[in-house]
Amino acid sequence: GENVEQHPSTLSVQEGDSAVIKCTYSDSASNYFPWYKQELGKRPQLIIDIRSNVGEKKDQRIAVTLNKTAKHFSLHITETQPEDSAVYFCAASRGANSKLTFGKGITLSVRP
Amino acid sequence: ETGVTQTPRHLVMGMTNKKSLKCEQHLGHNAMYWYKQSAKKPLELMFVYNFKEQTENNSVPSRFSPECPNSSHLFLHLHTLQPEDSALYLCASSQGGGASQFFGPGTRLTVL
Repeated sequence: GENVEQHPSTLSVQEGDSAVIKCTYSDSASNYFPWYKQELGKRPQLIIDIRSNVGEKKDQRIAVTLNKTAKHFSLHITETQPEDSAVYFCAASRGANSKLTFGKGITLSVRP
Repeated sequence: ETGVTQTPRHLVMGMTNKKSLKCEQHLGHNAMYWYKQSAKKPLELMFVYNFKEQTENNSVPSRFSPECPNSSHLFLHLHTLQPEDSALYLCASSQGGGASQFFGPGTRLTVL
């Protein structure tokens, strides 16, 4: 089955700097890659996703890039703010009729 | 009420009690999930239901008993729990097993 790994497990950046969180996956047939943000005491929420037919997707300060050859995808956050501090989960699946596999999460801390 | 709702939001129970957690989704999805999230640990998938049928049980102890009467409702019946079962229990739903999952706010369970 699919195996999704996230590195590093924690990341600390200075406010205003950029943060990059990387995930690797094992199943070359995976074609859907969402990212979730979970703030302290709250539920995980979908913030951005990408499908395998595109290499990059942007939404304001966040972007996701996908490298199918290397089987990794990354979340990029620019101009980080304290409210970006949270646990970020990546996930991968083969599509709607398969299974969504989550990574273990990365804790991002943005220092004011 | 929209999205995914869970009740109760907080629950304290003794090891000999029997209680139930309830989840309801208003998104018209056909798949529902139970996750356990312990402090500083990743999401642990417990059960998966597709079209009311259980399709996955990740070696969950029998003191946790799920029930899915229809595609919109999911229950988790609890009995004879242990203190190590204290955690945040999250319900999620999706349109298809590999699609984006939408999470409920969770039930914070404490077992004394």
